[in-house]
Amino acid sequence: SYVLTQPPSVSVAPGQTARITCGGNNIGSKSVHWYQQKPGQAPVLVVYDDSDRPSGIPERFSGSNSGNTATLTISRVEAGDEADYYCQVWDSSSDHPGVFGTGTKVTVL
Amino acid sequence: QVQLVESGGGLVKPGGSLRLSCAASGFTFSDYYMSWIRQAPGKGLEWVSYISSSGSTIYYADSVKGRFTISRDNAKNSLYLQMNSLRAEDTAVYYCARDPEAMGEPFFDYWGQGTLVTVSS
Repeated sequence: SYVLTQPPSVSVAPGQTARITCGGNNIGSKSVHWYQQKPGQAPVLVVYDDSDRPSGIPERFSGSNSGNTATLTISRVEAGDEADYYCQVWDSSSDHPGVFGTGTKVTVL
Repeated sequence: QVQLVESGGGLVKPGGSLRLSCAASGFTFSDYYMSWIRQAPGKGLEWVSYISSSGSTIYYADSVKGRFTISRDNAKNSLYLQMNSLRAEDTAVYYCARDPEAMGEPFFDYWGQGTLVTVSS
């Protein structure tokens, strides 16, 4: 089955840039989606189709996808960005196609 | 506004059964594909099952295939997950989520608040 690997944690100072990677075999050929989850809350979609933002999501959130790595970039990080982040793809070649990444805890120093 | 409200969670013994429901409102439920996604305590997200708008296409994670059944009633704007032969490792918060695109590769733009299922003797 398809595996998505994320770093367990990323630390960043306020105002700086956080980059969260999501590794998968030829992930560049798939559409990657990103979710933010704060403690005790349901996940929220922050980027879809590699780099599109839902309405209401700040421009500070952006995404890219190429080769074997997709990246979520959070610019000008704020304290409120501290959360867990998950990437997700749909592996259409599989009988169990839904796949989430392992998750990354973003800590704002 | 779009709302998804799960219910039916609770404490169940290993080997037991439970039926989760997800009540949808604020959108034309019958137009959208839906999924169940779960999260074990302190763990990451795990996709569980997916159903097309008509119910004709269904997928399951390997971990639940043969034990869980997803279904929907478009007349009642409701999604269901019948869970049988429950195991301790099924303990999790279960979320229902909407896929906004009937075509293309699914993702999830709206999530419910989740319902906790605890499997323990």
